[in-house]
Amino acid sequence: QVQLKESGPGLVKPSQTLSLTCIVSGVSMTSGGYYWGWVRQHPGKGLEWIGYIYNTGSSYSNPSLQSRVTISVDTSENQFSLKVTSVTAADTAMYYCARGNNAGQSKDYFDYWGHGTLVTVSS
Amino acid sequence: DIQMTQFPPSLSASVGDRVTITCRASQNIGYSLNWYQQKPGEAPKPLIYTASNLETGVPSRFSGSGSGTDFTLAISSLQPEDLATYYCQQTYRRVAFGPGTKVEIK
Repeated sequence: QVQLKESGPGLVKPSQTLSLTCIVSGVSMTSGGYYWGWVRQHPGKGLEWIGYIYNTGSSYSNPSLQSRVTISVDTSENQFSLKVTSVTAADTAMYYCARGNNAGQSKDYFDYWGHGTLVTVSS
Repeated sequence: DIQMTQFPPSLSASVGDRVTITCRASQNIGYSLNWYQQKPGEAPKPLIYTASNLETGVPSRFSGSGSGTDFTLAISSLQPEDLATYYCQQTYRRVAFGPGTKVEIK
């Protein structure tokens, strides 16, 4: 059974770097046909795509966040990570990791999601 | 960037009603459109992928249609457990979500 679980600090100070890790179980991240993404949701708001990465290390980010976002993958630990630099209160949100599935039949969607982790930016 | 819009932003319907939600892309995205359901306090869950394909385990009262720029999510007979916000998502070029449609039960 595929499971994803986010981990990281729930509180980050303004101007610092937000760092989260998503631990994947039930599937090897080296399997073809998948990519690994991050989505956030500001309190009471909609979903915002942050970015995603392939097991090769190729990554793509939302242009609105690109300059502050780094996504990396560690296939030996079956996990991937998100860093957002120079955070402000506007980065306070629920952060979700998710598996992207484009394995055949024209599929291309997030089929498994973590439960999410709330990150608050405050001094 | 591809922009996604949804309407209505919210709706209230009775159990047993047919409900439809519309999603529009700012440019042609073919069939690269997915739908998600997010219940209060939960992570989003996939409902429909590639415009019209039902995710495994999703009740058959949910259906998707459309192509190009205009897409529809339909719930044939609304159930109490369908209380949720529904999001469309394009994966034609990178990823973008629609703003969501909140479905309430009368």
